[in-house]
Amino acid sequence: AQSVSQHNHHVILSEAASLELGCNYSYGGTVNLFWYVQYPGQHLQLLLKYFSGDPLVKGIKGFEAEFIKSKFSFNLRKPSVQWSDTAEYFCAVKAGGTSYGKLTFGQGTILTVHP
Amino acid sequence: DAGVIQSPRHEVTEMGQEVTLRCKPISGHNSLFWYRQTMMRGLELLIYFNNNVPIDDSGMPEDRFSAKMPNASFSTLKIQPSEPRDSAVYFCASSLGLSSYEQYFGPGTRLTVT
Repeated sequence: AQSVSQHNHHVILSEAASLELGCNYSYGGTVNLFWYVQYPGQHLQLLLKYFSGDPLVKGIKGFEAEFIKSKFSFNLRKPSVQWSDTAEYFCAVKAGGTSYGKLTFGQGTILTVHP
Repeated sequence: DAGVIQSPRHEVTEMGQEVTLRCKPISGHNSLFWYRQTMMRGLELLIYFNNNVPIDDSGMPEDRFSAKMPNASFSTLKIQPSEPRDSAVYFCASSLGLSSYEQYFGPGTRLTVT
């Protein structure tokens, strides 16, 4: 079965700082990869997704992520964070085989951005 | 587009009581997922359906949990009897299918069992 590991539980930054959140997954086959964001008190919203093609994926609100197959990684980046980016970020993987359709989430990374 | 609709948004109940959570997926979506979110365990997939048929319920924690999808526009997650450790936020999500499609999440039901 697939699993997802997010390196940091809590990241604290000042506005305008650059962001990189780590995500590694374990699964040997074809995967679809996602980053979701959960703002305080709200439901999960999709930031970006990778299905195939260009491994550098651009999402909403200036976020991007790079799929590096050899490293089983899908790190999330943003060059300059804003206070409104304060939220919890979840990496998720969808694999094939017997887990077809199943989305497995990482533990989440809480991002706090200070003005 | 109304999005995924869940009810109730908040539920407070006493231990031993039956709890029923409801979900209406996005119209036209064929797959429906139930998740539980807690501080300790994060987001866990409980069960998912495709074309109203349960595909994988291996995430359902105990026999006290059951889920149904009687038609394409409605699903329920029932806990009977409820216990304090069931306190969590329960999310429903839907997608066009099980293949390469993103899941759209509802606002969640915050369940507190006292």
